[in-house]
Amino acid sequence: RKEVEQDPGPFNVPEGATVAFNCTYSNSASQSFFWYRQDCRKEPKLLMSVYSSGNEDGRFTAQLNRASQYISLLIRDSKLSDSATYLCVPGGGADGLTFGKGTHLIIQP
Amino acid sequence: DVKVTQSSRYLVKRTGEKVFLECVQDMDHENMFWYRQDPGLGLRLIYFSYDVKMKEKGDIPEGYSVSREKKERFSLILESASTNQTSMYLCASSYPGTGGEQYFGPGTRLTVT
Repeated sequence: RKEVEQDPGPFNVPEGATVAFNCTYSNSASQSFFWYRQDCRKEPKLLMSVYSSGNEDGRFTAQLNRASQYISLLIRDSKLSDSATYLCVPGGGADGLTFGKGTHLIIQP
Repeated sequence: DVKVTQSSRYLVKRTGEKVFLECVQDMDHENMFWYRQDPGLGLRLIYFSYDVKMKEKGDIPEGYSVSREKKERFSLILESASTNQTSMYLCASSYPGTGGEQYFGPGTRLTVT
């Protein structure tokens, strides 16, 4: 099964700053990638899907580096509500996914 | 909006009891999954199903079984609950071919005493 590694953090970031964190994966055959957001004591929710080199959605940008086998998530103009754990997931099939253990982000006022 | 529901948010059971966790989705998804989530270990796949009456083992199937008699419902069964099965259990569903776009239920926090 695919291996995924993430820096667990926590990343403590002031409100309004830009923050980025990476996720490395071991399966070079992975064709799609996903970032999920999980709030404390809640279920994970899909944040972004990446099927090519990257994706952008408002303040959030995901970029894929296939040569180095990592995917990054960039959050611009961070908000207090961005505080959460961000889970990286290489996708690619009908089987269950291998989730990273997540990166814990704390946005400070 | 996709909706995945789980039968209980909190459950307390005794060691040795048979435990049923139910999951229902209303989006006609073919794929359904059961995960458990523990601090420091992240989400781990227990079982998944890509069609009615079909099931596949995930990474940690020992001590669990599943049932999928209807497309919208996927049940996780703990045959004889043990204290090391105390955990948060999350159900998810997805369309086939979406790779990783899964929709999760709110979770069931199970405590086995």
